[in-house]
Amino acid sequence: AQTVTQSQPEMSVQEAETVTLSCTYDTSESNYYLFWYKQPPSRQMILVIRQEAYKQQNATENRFSVNFQKAAKSFSLKISDSQLGDTAMYFCAFMSSATYKYIFGTGTRLKVLA
Amino acid sequence: GAVVSQHPSWVICKSGTSVKIECRSLDFQATTMFWYRQFPKQSLMLMATSNEGSKATYEQGVEKDKFLINHASLTLSTLTVTSAHPEDSSFYICSARATGPFRSGANVLTFGAGSRLTVL
Repeated sequence: AQTVTQSQPEMSVQEAETVTLSCTYDTSESNYYLFWYKQPPSRQMILVIRQEAYKQQNATENRFSVNFQKAAKSFSLKISDSQLGDTAMYFCAFMSSATYKYIFGTGTRLKVLA
Repeated sequence: GAVVSQHPSWVICKSGTSVKIECRSLDFQATTMFWYRQFPKQSLMLMATSNEGSKATYEQGVEKDKFLINHASLTLSTLTVTSAHPEDSSFYICSARATGPFRSGANVLTFGAGSRLTVL
């Protein structure tokens, strides 16, 4: 069975600084997707970034980028130029190509400080 | 972009009554929908997978007679919490996957805004 681990329950960062959130996963599959979702206080899940396992190039979306290390089964999220609106719960998620199910990590609560 | 509407956003009911939550994909067809439960300050726990026209598949430990799921059309799935009790109080979230091959945008699930259930 797949597992997703986020080892940082809470983090804080000063506005305009850079922060990295960690995520590791375990799977025996070779074909899968990884995601980072943001859940603000409204509790609406918002896609931040996604990474296809078959692609070696790390995904980037504006201020958000990932460091995908397939062999190490690591998938960290880097947020550059942090903004107050980035304050939220961040979930790492694994999607199986076999079931299309998302398996979520336990989340990291990020607070951006003014 | 893809939108999923979830209704109601919050509901309060008396113990012993049943509550139905709807999840609709507004601008795409969703062959598969997923239902999650989220306790305060915790992660999303997958309850069941709903496929259009077939019986839902429940995760281990989820009572299928307590949480009835119906996926009657390609745009609508419903979750009915039967004979609700205070321990069923939680935040329920649905998500929908559009039709399409694995290596496509269909792999990105679209989430509803969630439904907060409080059972008195």
